[in-house]
Amino acid sequence: EVQLVESGGDLVQPGGSLTLSCAASGFTFSNYWMSWVRQAPGKGLEWVANIKEDGSEKYYVDSVKGRFTISRDNAKNSVYLQMNSLRVEDTAVYFCGRGMGVWGHGTTVTVFS
Amino acid sequence: QSVLTQPPSASGTPGQRVTISCSESSSNIGRKSVNWYQQVPGTAPKLLIHTNNQRPSGVPDRFSGSKSGTSASLAISGLQSEDEADYYCAAWDDSLKAWVFGGGTKLTVL
Repeated sequence: EVQLVESGGDLVQPGGSLTLSCAASGFTFSNYWMSWVRQAPGKGLEWVANIKEDGSEKYYVDSVKGRFTISRDNAKNSVYLQMNSLRVEDTAVYFCGRGMGVWGHGTTVTVFS
Repeated sequence: QSVLTQPPSASGTPGQRVTISCSESSSNIGRKSVNWYQQVPGTAPKLLIHTNNQRPSGVPDRFSGSKSGTSASLAISGLQSEDEADYYCAAWDDSLKAWVFGGGTKLTVL
């Protein structure tokens, strides 16, 4: 069974940093693109970033470019989202995805002043 | 800038067939591959349709996807109370190098 478990969500002040982790199991991790999607309170889904199987390609939504970095460790079956210079508008539940198909239950990031 | 537009709401009665549209502002949806997701509030999204009309295993055949002209559509036949959820379309925009989601449609089963 495919499982994705996110962790690392927290309360943080504007300008702060946070790293989200996603532990994957139940499939050959190194064969899949991985993604992060977020959902602000009461809002719709927003794609944040994705990373190719070997980490050689990474793409980001414009609003996080230069602030967020997606990475992966295929030996640890994990994908990460390093978030710097956090803003109030980054407050959301962050979901980790295998490609754009299977999603974890999410981890909550709250940026408050 | 790619924008996927969905109606904010839809409704139907049990047993009915409902459709949810997803149109693209630049009329380029014909060249895009569209996914559809179901999300019950407070839970993770679930992939219903990928590549315009392909159902992952385990998704009931009551759910179907299509694309025509400037829009894509999700159809739900034999509507059930458990289908009450938010539905999102999404597509990869190769010029933006980004996935774009529609704003979502809240489906109410009356």
